[in-house]
Amino acid sequence: DVKVTQSSRYLVKRTGEKVFLECVQDMDHENMFWYRQDPGLGLRLIYFSYDVKMKEKGDIPEGYSVSREKKERFSLILESASTNQTSMYLCASSFGWGYGYTFGSGTRLTVV
Amino acid sequence: QQQVKQSPQSLIVQKGGISIINCAYENTAFDYFPWYQQFPGKGPALLIAIRPDVSEKKEGRFTISFNKSAKQFSLHIMDSQPGDSATYFCAASTPGAGSYQLTFGKGTKLSVIP
Repeated sequence: DVKVTQSSRYLVKRTGEKVFLECVQDMDHENMFWYRQDPGLGLRLIYFSYDVKMKEKGDIPEGYSVSREKKERFSLILESASTNQTSMYLCASSFGWGYGYTFGSGTRLTVV
Repeated sequence: QQQVKQSPQSLIVQKGGISIINCAYENTAFDYFPWYQQFPGKGPALLIAIRPDVSEKKEGRFTISFNKSAKQFSLHIMDSQPGDSATYFCAASTPGAGSYQLTFGKGTKLSVIP
């Protein structure tokens, strides 16, 4: 089975800190994604990448950036964390169209 | 603009009953429709998926019904069990390589009571 591993289950950060969320997949998937999940709002796409060093903005990229230096690793960066970025962050990977996503277990980030 | 509308937001079903979750979409270019199941503290997991060349797909107690002309698809859970209590998301995507991505509904929280 494909495994998508997110480095932290829970994080607490202070307002203004630079935050790195790491995601690693072990199945050589081309596509990787970062979503945030909030009650009543479902899953919202922040950024995605379909190849190394490639990235595309999703629906809510403001306040975030990403890095994909290696195929298996996709990092989400909060340049200056704010309280409205408190959320559950989900990383996913996929072989491509028609194959669905495999999600990690999520990182619950609290910004205080 | 929400491209996939999911209803209901929450659902309570008795054990042994049928759970039905509906989704509607607007983009006629969508041609892959998966459903995901998420338990508390876990990431969503692919449950079942359908492509528009079939009207129904069944896997065990889970069935997707697809109505292309109405631009609607639904998940039916037969003989619902307490272990099915989870949040369910429908999704859709357009074909092609490159920037493939799924558009998700907002989710339905299902509670199956004994």
